[in-house]
Amino acid sequence: TQLLEQSPQFLSIQEGENLTVYCNSSSVFSSLQWYRQEPGEGPVLLVTVVTGGEVKKLKRLTFQFGDARKDSSLHITAAQPGDTGLYLCAGGTNQAGTALIFGKGTTLSVSS
Amino acid sequence: KAGVTQTPRYLIKTRGQQVTLSCSPISGHRSVSWYQQTPGQGLQFLFEYFSETQRNKGNFPGRFSGRQFSNSRSEMNVSTLELGDSALYLCASSLSVNPGELFFGEGSRLTVL
Repeated sequence: TQLLEQSPQFLSIQEGENLTVYCNSSSVFSSLQWYRQEPGEGPVLLVTVVTGGEVKKLKRLTFQFGDARKDSSLHITAAQPGDTGLYLCAGGTNQAGTALIFGKGTTLSVSS
Repeated sequence: KAGVTQTPRYLIKTRGQQVTLSCSPISGHRSVSWYQQTPGQGLQFLFEYFSETQRNKGNFPGRFSGRQFSNSRSEMNVSTLELGDSALYLCASSLSVNPGELFFGEGSRLTVL
């Protein structure tokens, strides 16, 4: 059974701090996605990484896919209150189609 | 363009009842997936439909079923509801069956009493 372990589960920081969220598995994924979910809404895709070692940047967010395609990280620089939300990683394989394996999420709270 | 629409947004049922949830995907999207989200287990895959055919099914009991219509709209049904079925049920649509971008609806919040 494929699992994605996400850490930390909760993160409470002050505005301006940096943070990193980790997503680890013993399984290889063909793609790794990061979503952000706000209360009362569905998850919204932030990024998809597909190549081992790939790094993608989205403004203050940096996403990395591990060389072996088993792990990923999300780094936020100078966090802002607007970054508050639930961050989810999700792994996919070509065989499983849209049946993604989700981590349990990291709840981030950024206070001003 | 309009996003994924799920109805109803909230509902309360009692144990033993059954429930039907509806999902209208983004226009042009032929793949619809359903996920269950709970605080303890997170998001878990229920099933995926493409062109009215179920392509994948998650590890859920047979009480959970679904279908897709020719206009790509999808419904899922849960029979003989149990307390543990209380969850947010999320529908997601995508252009294809590849593990690309999923567009999620706001979900249907089911409470079983």
